[in-house]
Amino acid sequence: EAGVAQSPRYKIIEKRQSVAFWCNPISGHATLYWYQQILGQGPKLLIQFQNNGVVDDSQLPKDRFSAERLKGVDSTLKIQPAKLEDSAVYLCASSINPGHLSNEQFFGPGTRLTVL
Amino acid sequence: DQQVKQNSPSLSVQEGRISILNCDYTNSMFDYFLWYKKYPAEGPTFLISISSIKDKNEDGRFTVFLNKSAKHLSLHIVPSQPGDSAVYFCAASVEGNEKLTFGTGTRLTIIP
Repeated sequence: EAGVAQSPRYKIIEKRQSVAFWCNPISGHATLYWYQQILGQGPKLLIQFQNNGVVDDSQLPKDRFSAERLKGVDSTLKIQPAKLEDSAVYLCASSINPGHLSNEQFFGPGTRLTVL
Repeated sequence: DQQVKQNSPSLSVQEGRISILNCDYTNSMFDYFLWYKKYPAEGPTFLISISSIKDKNEDGRFTVFLNKSAKHLSLHIVPSQPGDSAVYFCAASVEGNEKLTFGTGTRLTIIP
């Protein structure tokens, strides 16, 4: 079974530039998550999709971050414009079914963003 | 407000001995807990979980203990192996709700 795919793996941009990340979840997984992991911290949920609808985006800085999951499969996360504090690893995860007992989420390798 | 805390940023253990990683939480609504393991340049991978109706769950070399009254859980690895060297994250959720709240992680180093 193929895992969660993310691209690019690394990105370096200057502040005020824009950047986009792409995620392809495990086939058949209804729920998709984007996390931000700042160095020395645990992953923090930015947004959660169930199929192509948003379940939770309470911690997404909506003035600069946006995300979409067209057709309930792939997803993109965009930052426009980027700030220095956005430097982090952006992790995408998926899980099989809403309310599944194990709550197990499968993570991709992440995109490491450096904002200069 | 850090609802899930891992107070030890790092831990070194001799190969073959027991590794004990600790996690504390403050939100009494949490009733499902997970441990994830992360190698460099990879995403976290699920290791083991426990529901609040239990106080222990075992899977091979890995055992998680939950003390609800103390709002504390621990992960025991016995015996520790070099491949266990990684960062371990504790995570908590309300059962049936997929949202996970992660701790800050503990870097475990197994010394051969």
